[in-house]
Amino acid sequence: GENVEQHPSTLSVQEGDSAVIKCTYSDSASNYFPWYKQELGKGPQLIIDIRSNVGEKKDQRIAVTLNKTAKHFSLHITETQPEDSAVYFCAASRGGTGRRALTFGSGTRLQVQP
Amino acid sequence: DAGVTQSPTHLIKTRGQQVTLRCSPKSGHDTVSWYQQALGQGPQFIFQYYEEEERQRGNFPDRFSGHQFPNYSSELNVNALLLGDSALYLCASSLGGVETQYFGPGTRLLVL
Repeated sequence: GENVEQHPSTLSVQEGDSAVIKCTYSDSASNYFPWYKQELGKGPQLIIDIRSNVGEKKDQRIAVTLNKTAKHFSLHITETQPEDSAVYFCAASRGGTGRRALTFGSGTRLQVQP
Repeated sequence: DAGVTQSPTHLIKTRGQQVTLRCSPKSGHDTVSWYQQALGQGPQFIFQYYEEEERQRGNFPDRFSGHQFPNYSSELNVNALLLGDSALYLCASSLGGVETQYFGPGTRLLVL
């Protein structure tokens, strides 16, 4: 089955700096890669996703890049703010029909220091 | 538009007991997936329901079972609870044909 590895496990940055979180996946058939943000006591919230026919996607301060050959994808957050502090999870699935299980990474705790 | 809702928010049980957790998907969504999230870990897929049947299952024992109702809401049942079943149980809904899954706030289960 699919295996997703995520690093770093913790990341501390100064407000205004950029943060990068990286994930690798094992199943070459995976073609859908979402990123979720989870705040304390809440469920994961989808922040951005990318499909394998696209190499990069951007939404304001958040961007995701995908390298299918190397089987890795990354989340980039620019101009970080204290409210970006949370745990971030990457995930992968064989998409297409929408009815596919997500395999998650182990999470990255991001702390943005004011 | 209400998002995914789950009940109860918290639950305390003792070993050997049985528990039922409930999930209502986002309006218009027909597929419900359940995930278990242990403390400090990423969510792990338990199973997925659509058209009132279990369609996919992760690596969880038969003590974990579920149900989907005609209105697309779903239940997760866990029998013979073990201490290791203590976790946050998340429900995610999606619309068949679209990969995006939206998560509810979860039910935190503590087994003593």
